[in-house]
Amino acid sequence: EVQLVESGGGLVQPGGSLRLSCAASGFTFSSYAMNWVRQAPGKGLEWVSGINSRSSGNTYYADFVKGRCTISRDDSKNTLYLQMNSLRAEDTAIYYCVRTSGLTFEIWGQGTMVTVSS
Amino acid sequence: QSALTQPPSASGSPGQSVTISCTGTSSDVGGYNSVCWYQQHPGKAPKLMIYEVSKRPSGVPDRFSGSKSGNTASLTVSGLQAEDEADYYCSSFAGTNILYVFGTGTKVTVL
Repeated sequence: EVQLVESGGGLVQPGGSLRLSCAASGFTFSSYAMNWVRQAPGKGLEWVSGINSRSSGNTYYADFVKGRCTISRDDSKNTLYLQMNSLRAEDTAIYYCVRTSGLTFEIWGQGTMVTVSS
Repeated sequence: QSALTQPPSASGSPGQSVTISCTGTSSDVGGYNSVCWYQQHPGKAPKLMIYEVSKRPSGVPDRFSGSKSGNTASLTVSGLQAEDEADYYCSSFAGTNILYVFGTGTKVTVL
C-alpha cells in the first residue's frame, strides 16, 4: 500500500524553526517528485515547495517561503524533509506531503499541524 | 500569483448534477493541460479526483468528469450522492517560477 506519513509538526514561537519529515512506503520513492502543500485553518490549499526525483533533484519554492525553507530528500531512507526557519504566525497550517506524478498531486499524506504562536 | 477563482459554494439534490468552475489565466489554466481536481472531506486529506483536465484515476466513479475551455476548467458531478458532499479544489501548473496554483475551493452541499 502506498503511504506517506508526515511528522515533526508542533507548536513553535515566532522566529523559531521546525523540520518536517515525510516517510514514504509502498513505492519506489526515488523515482518520484515530491511536494509540500499547506492549508491554514479554515482556508484553502497552498503549494509550498517541491523537489524533483533523484535524477535531477531540482528544488522549487513558493515566494512566501523562499529563503526561509529548504526542501530535501534522503532516498536511502525514503524520506522527504522540509526545514522551516524564521517561522511566522501566517505559517500556521497543516502541512501535507504529496507524491507527484507529472504535474499531478497524486497521493497525499494525512498532514502534520504546525502552529506558530507565542 | 493569485489563486484560481472558484465559486464558494454549489449544491444539488441527490441524483442531480452540479458543475464547479475554476477560472485562471493563460499563464496557468489556459496554458497547460494540467488542471486537477481534489475532493476534501472535513478533517481529511485531499483526494485526487481528476487529473490532466479530464482523466479519472483508478477507483474514482465515472460520475466525476472534467473539462476545460480557454482559461476556465470545470468539474461536473453527475448523479449526486450524499458522500459527494465535500470541499473541492482545482489546481494547475503555472510555469517554472510559481510552479503550482490552487483554486479558492468550493463547498458542495447535497440537499
